[in-house]
Amino acid sequence: LAKTTQPISMDSYEGQEVNITCSHNNIATNDYITWYQQFPSQGPRFIIQGYKTKVTNEVASLFIPADRKSSTLSLPRVSLSDTAVYYCLVGPGYGQNFVFGPGTRLSVLP
Amino acid sequence: DAGVIQSPRHEVTEMGQEVTLRCKPISGHNSLFWYRQTMMRGLELLIYFNNNVPIDDSGMPEDRFSAKMPNASFSTLKIQPSEPRDSAVYFCASSLIEGEKLFFGSGTQLSVL
Repeated sequence: LAKTTQPISMDSYEGQEVNITCSHNNIATNDYITWYQQFPSQGPRFIIQGYKTKVTNEVASLFIPADRKSSTLSLPRVSLSDTAVYYCLVGPGYGQNFVFGPGTRLSVLP
Repeated sequence: DAGVIQSPRHEVTEMGQEVTLRCKPISGHNSLFWYRQTMMRGLELLIYFNNNVPIDDSGMPEDRFSAKMPNASFSTLKIQPSEPRDSAVYFCASSLIEGEKLFFGSGTQLSVL
């Protein structure tokens, strides 16, 4: 499985755009990039998944450069309720183990 | 859909006792995962099943841990005998097919005294 590296923590203010970058230098050809969000006392929740270029949904955008060695989760105009841990996972579409790293703890301040 | 259902929500037991955690995946989902989360070690994958068959149990910490999936709608994680270091939140998750996004349950908070 491709190893991922994310910042341990980030701070932001309400209304700002937050970008969390994940490095995955040894990503394989058939690997997808998936992001999850976890609030305290809850299980992780799927946010977005992509393979290349850009993916956007109602919650976030995912930017993946051509070499796919990194990816950036973009949260537009964060609010206090976006305070959570964000995990980046990389693995194949099938036979994937879904191994979570330490994630990025995002704190949104008023 | 009720989502992934785990029981009990909280479990307090004494060292040496047997503990059984239960999980009902989302109907129609073919893959099921058990995770353990602690402050020190984060989210650890313990075992996952595909079509009720254990595929990878390399994350199971030791022989005291066992997991079963007798049918597509039920799975158990058993710890016997339990130890204080087993105290953690245990999550169950399911996915429609292997490799698809995971849906997590609310977890079981286990405290072994």
